Amino acid sequence: QYALTQPPSASGSPGQSVTISCTGTSSDVGHYEYVSWYQQYPGKAPKLMIYEVSKRPSGVPDRFSGSKSGNTASLTVSGLQAEDEADYYCCSYAGSSNVFGTGTKVTVL
Amino acid sequence: EEQLVESGGGLVQPGGSLRLSCAASGFPFSAYWMHWVRQAPGRGLVWVSRIDNEGRSITYADSVKGRFTISRDNAKDTLYLQMNSLRADDTAVYYCARGVAGARHFDLWGRGTLVTVSS
Repeated sequence: QYALTQPPSASGSPGQSVTISCTGTSSDVGHYEYVSWYQQYPGKAPKLMIYEVSKRPSGVPDRFSGSKSGNTASLTVSGLQAEDEADYYCCSYAGSSNVFGTGTKVTVL
Repeated sequence: EEQLVESGGGLVQPGGSLRLSCAASGFPFSAYWMHWVRQAPGRGLVWVSRIDNEGRSITYADSVKGRFTISRDNAKDTLYLQMNSLRADDTAVYYCARGVAGARHFDLWGRGTLVTVSS
């Protein structure tokens, strides 16, 4: 089943930054400005962290930022904190469907 | 408080059927598109289906097309997913999620309900 490509893991020490990539195609990530990112703790529901490539919902710390270039979107977490250790998924609108990324486990060393 | 609560999951044999429900509260349910997203044990999120606010526009992932049916009852503030011809690879936690501007992103999620397909 098709999914956007994310690195399986990423890590950083507290206070450092980590960037997660999300690669799709010209039919999804590259075509629409509707990439979103979700944080998920084990056994919990996903939480929206970034929408429309780079917008943050109310209540999400400004340490979280998003960007996009061509068919690849990115999520950057600056000033890593222990609570940022979680799984992160990107998602793109694709017209008649939505497609999620493969997921990235972020570890705070 | 805005909330989505899924129910209806459980153990079902291969080839069997199950209907999931998602009860919405705290917001105008009839104004929003709604989605089902699933997550197999230890795996990633997978979009399953969506329905527009009036129930007129519906789409499915290829993996469930012809077997699953999404519907909604705006009078009851409830979303449904009828799942037929279930297979082992349908085993997952099923989440309902609220779509913003239709399907651009999902801003409210339920806690999920586990469906296990096994003999």
